[in-house]
Amino acid sequence: DVKVTQSSRYLVKRTGEKVFLECVQDMDHENMFWYRQDPGLGLRLIYFSYDVKMKEKGDIPEGYSVSREKKERFSLILESASTNQTSMYLCASSFRTEVTEAFFGQGTRLTVV
Amino acid sequence: KQEVTQIPAALSVPEGENLVLNCSFTDSAIYNLQWFRQDPGKGLTSLLLIQSSQREQTSGRLNASLDKSSGRSTLYIAASQPGDSATYLCAVPRGAQKLVFGQGTRLTINP
Repeated sequence: DVKVTQSSRYLVKRTGEKVFLECVQDMDHENMFWYRQDPGLGLRLIYFSYDVKMKEKGDIPEGYSVSREKKERFSLILESASTNQTSMYLCASSFRTEVTEAFFGQGTRLTVV
Repeated sequence: KQEVTQIPAALSVPEGENLVLNCSFTDSAIYNLQWFRQDPGKGLTSLLLIQSSQREQTSGRLNASLDKSSGRSTLYIAASQPGDSATYLCAVPRGAQKLVFGQGTRLTINP
């Protein structure tokens, strides 16, 4: 079975902290994604990566950065956490071609206080 | 710009009923369409992937259909059970497998 694992289910951080969310996949997928999910707004793409050290901005990249040093790991970084970044964060991965399934992790519920 | 719509936003049915969830998309030039399930506070679980060349895909009590020309997909759930209660989302790729999601249908199966 494909496995996408996010490092934490729940996180509570203080405003201004630097926050790292980690995601690891075990299927040798080229593509990896970070989404956030908010009530009434649905899932929105923050960043995605189609190869090691490659990244592309999604729809809402402001306040975030990413790192992909190894194929299996994709990190989302909140440079200075703010309360409006309180959300559910979802990592996903897929093969590069257009016709394959995307697989998601279990989600990280981040609360910034 | 691809937009995905799911109607209804919420649905409540008695156990045992067959039901249909709807998904529509504005740009018919899609490679595939994927249906997901999400339990409260959890991640997304992939249910079915329909390729653009397919019209139907089945997994157990689930059957998904795709009509590209009309921009519609349906997810049919047979003999519903309380364990089917969840939010169901459909999604289509927008270049390089970036997914565009519908808002989801929150399904409640009443025992």
